[in-house]
Amino acid sequence: GQNIDQPTEMTATEGAIVQINCTYQTSGFNGLFWYQQHAGEAPTFLSYNVLDGLEEKGRFSSFLSRSKGYSYLLLKELQMKDSASYLCAVRDQVRGSYIPTFGRGTSLIVHP
Amino acid sequence: DGGITQSPKYLFRKEGQNVTLSCEQNLNHDAMYWYRQDPGQGLRLIYYSQIVNDFQKGDIAEGYSVSREKKESFPLTVTSAQKNPTAFYLCASSWNTGELFFGEGSRLTVL
Repeated sequence: GQNIDQPTEMTATEGAIVQINCTYQTSGFNGLFWYQQHAGEAPTFLSYNVLDGLEEKGRFSSFLSRSKGYSYLLLKELQMKDSASYLCAVRDQVRGSYIPTFGRGTSLIVHP
Repeated sequence: DGGITQSPKYLFRKEGQNVTLSCEQNLNHDAMYWYRQDPGQGLRLIYYSQIVNDFQKGDIAEGYSVSREKKESFPLTVTSAQKNPTAFYLCASSWNTGELFFGEGSRLTVL
């Protein structure tokens, strides 16, 4: 199994930059995902990291350090619509299968 | 269009009743999953299936059952043995090593 830790809540100002951290402990790491979830809706995929380094996709970037068991999601030029929960999910090997396990999520509040 | 469909979106159940949540995908994905989400919580894995006619328990399988008779379908039954079934249920599918695609979710409330 694994232990995934994220901050419960963060606040930021419209137009600013925010970094959401995720730390994990796992025995058979096979990738880390970030998802965005608006209240009452299904999660939507943001990014995937399996190798160390930074993956950039528009206003969103995700970083991974496998040796440190650490990832972050960086959101630039924040917009009000970015107010949502951000879920970190780690995929590791469980009984021969690769299963994603989710952290509790970080609720991001963007204010004007 | 390809996607994953859950139904019903809202469901009310009396105590002691079994209910079945439907999940259908036309993405030709091998793997399908059921997660449960409680307020302010992350997603917890109930059951998953990597291939037709095979499925495995997740972290919180007690009180739930599933079947995988077709590649496209992975229904979840919430039985009366599940003591606290009120939650938001999410079905997902993926290629075995790919990202998860989620349905819109089913919100179950026990009256």
